[in-house]
Amino acid sequence: DTGVSQDPRHKITKRGQNVTFRCDPISEHNRLYWYRQTLGQGPEFLTYFQNEAQLEKSRLLSDRFSAERPKGSFSTLEIQRTEQGDSAMYLCASSLISPLGEQFFGPGTRLTVL
Amino acid sequence: AQSVTQLDSHVSVSEGTPVLLRCNYSSSYSPSLFWYVQHPNKGLQLLLKYTSAATLVKGINGFEAEFKKSETSFHLTKPSAHMSDAAEYFCVVSQSNTGNQFYFGTGTSLTVIP
Repeated sequence: DTGVSQDPRHKITKRGQNVTFRCDPISEHNRLYWYRQTLGQGPEFLTYFQNEAQLEKSRLLSDRFSAERPKGSFSTLEIQRTEQGDSAMYLCASSLISPLGEQFFGPGTRLTVL
Repeated sequence: AQSVTQLDSHVSVSEGTPVLLRCNYSSSYSPSLFWYVQHPNKGLQLLLKYTSAATLVKGINGFEAEFKKSETSFHLTKPSAHMSDAAEYFCVVSQSNTGNQFYFGTGTSLTVIP
């Protein structure tokens, strides 16, 4: 399967712990996006990379959140000192650089903070 | 700024009857518009996309959407609902001058009654 993959699919952690999620995009895609989806809501943009450069960050991305995309391939999203409000589905998507902008989504990582 | 309003949070139809899911958008630039579907415990799947080539867009599984600039609308339709269409549907707007980040509506939950 050559789609977008995310690991882990589920993560349960205690408040105050750090967590890290990984996203592997479609191999030839230059852009990689992170979104967060809470129950009953549409996904909200967090940040995106073009190759290894992080080009934009939402104000939703507090200083406890950090994302990297070393070498322009896979990406990691780390949340430090998790809070119960961080509980959500974290979605990764990738795309080519094009005016069409179609994004392909991974299955998501569901985070539960106890 | 871009935004999307999905006018109905829940739509219920009988199997074999038409489906209409309504979406209005706001965009200060020439937008790309998409409809994605999310089945329970599955990733977001692209149904169709509008990128200024044609105002009537055909997608997968018999879905269509019509872009109406004067009404800033992009409603999703299907002539005959099938049980497998039951899912959450998201209308999305993006602009190429902002890295194609996606702005999602809050979603419409479609129920199909046998």
